[in-house]
Amino acid sequence: QKEVEQDPGPLSVPEGAIVSLNCTYSNSAFQYFMWYRQYSRKGPELLMYTYSSGNKEDGRFTAQVDKSSKYISLFIRDSQPSDSATYLCAMQNTGGFKTIFGAGTRLFVKA
Amino acid sequence: EAGVAQSPRYKIIEKRQSVAFWCNPISGHATLYWYQQILGQGPKLLIQFQNNGVVDDSQLPKDRFSAERLKGVDSTLKIQPAKLEDSAVYLCASSLVVRDAEAFFGQGTRLTVV
Repeated sequence: QKEVEQDPGPLSVPEGAIVSLNCTYSNSAFQYFMWYRQYSRKGPELLMYTYSSGNKEDGRFTAQVDKSSKYISLFIRDSQPSDSATYLCAMQNTGGFKTIFGAGTRLFVKA
Repeated sequence: EAGVAQSPRYKIIEKRQSVAFWCNPISGHATLYWYQQILGQGPKLLIQFQNNGVVDDSQLPKDRFSAERLKGVDSTLKIQPAKLEDSAVYLCASSLVVRDAEAFFGQGTRLTVV
C-alpha cells in the first residue's frame, strides 16, 4: 500500500462547477498537508497547506483535513479553464523531513 | 523575487552516458531538494540539503546518482551511467528552512534516455 493514494483521473468538468479532489494516506504521523498545482511542462506550485486537522480557505480554494479518516480534500469553486492542470497532494510529518507526494489528479475544465 | 532556476530544460542521451543538471535556488533559501518525477507519478525525493549538508538521501540510487551543493547555494545532480528507467523530469526545489511545508519548484529538466 502506498503511503499516499490519489485518483489520477482525468476529471473533466464544465466551467463554473465545484471540483472536489481527494487523497487518502496511511501514515498517522503526517501533520502538514499541502496541495500543489502543476501545469503541463512546469514545476509544481504550492496552492495552500494546512497543519493538522481543519479547514483552510483561500479565494476559490478550500482545503480540508480529516485526520480521523486519514483523508484530505481540495475544493475549487467556480472552476475556470485556467484551473486545468494536475493537482498533487503532499504530506510531511513533524518527526522527519521528507515530503511524500500523491500521483496527482489531472483536471480539465471545459469552457 | 527570482524563482528557482534549472538548466538545461531538456536533455536526450544514450544509455550508459553521463548527464548533469544544475540548480540555483531562491536567494536565502537554506534547504534544497532534488526530485524525480516519472510520467504519471508524483515527485519522489532523491536528496535534500540543508545548506551544504545532506539531510536525506535515502532514495538516491547512489551507485549511479550523485549530488553536491557547494558553498550552500547552487547544486548539481549527476547520473553516471544513465539507464532507460532514468527517463523523467528532474525537479529542483528550495525552501527557507528544513521543515518548511512551502517549497518552491523550478521548471525541471526533462531527461530522455534512449
